[in-house]
Amino acid sequence: KAGVTQTPRYLIKTRGQQVTLSCSPISGHRSVSWYQQTPGQGLQFLFEYFSETQRNKGNFPGRFSGRQFSNSRSEMNVSTLELGDSALYLCASTPGGFYNEQFFGPGTRLTVL
Amino acid sequence: SQQGEEDPQALSIQEGENATMNCSYKTSINNLQWYRQNSGRGLVHLILIRSNEREKHSGRLRVTLDTSKKSSSLLITASRAADTASYFCATDAGGVSSGSARQLTFGSGTQLTVLP
Repeated sequence: KAGVTQTPRYLIKTRGQQVTLSCSPISGHRSVSWYQQTPGQGLQFLFEYFSETQRNKGNFPGRFSGRQFSNSRSEMNVSTLELGDSALYLCASTPGGFYNEQFFGPGTRLTVL
Repeated sequence: SQQGEEDPQALSIQEGENATMNCSYKTSINNLQWYRQNSGRGLVHLILIRSNEREKHSGRLRVTLDTSKKSSSLLITASRAADTASYFCATDAGGVSSGSARQLTFGSGTQLTVLP
């Protein structure tokens, strides 16, 4: 099976812009989670989607949003970008159910100037 | 916020030696997982230990879990230069039913350097 894919891999934006990141989970996986990784805060949970529904959300402002499509692909959107949003954004998928291991994609490196 | 801390923050050893990393967490968990990350790339799952397990092995990896102390340790035996990476513990407080939300809470990580 192909692994989790994320596009784009690198992105440069300026403050105030918005950005959309995409994640394609492993075929058959229904749960997709997003994480932000920064040198200062480490790895932090953003949100999780399962069957097109957001099941869980981390402690991030409303500028961070996401969605999941019927084919389990997911997107996350960040509006009104701030310098502090510069980070590696990681997507992870899992089959759901009793499986707890998460399979991570390579990440999208976002730089906000 | 971080679930807990990992100790040490950085570890440098010679090839062939064993490496031990520790992780502490704060809340009750369903399971604890260890991941490896090479140079800011994606995380690779190493091993998962459930809350009712005390020890687990996978190849050169040995993980212990002490739920009374809310701590875990990862031992890598006979280390290799290719083991150089950041290692993270992550706790999952979710349930085991299909309706349970999945959320991993990560530690701060240990940077392991294995010198050839």
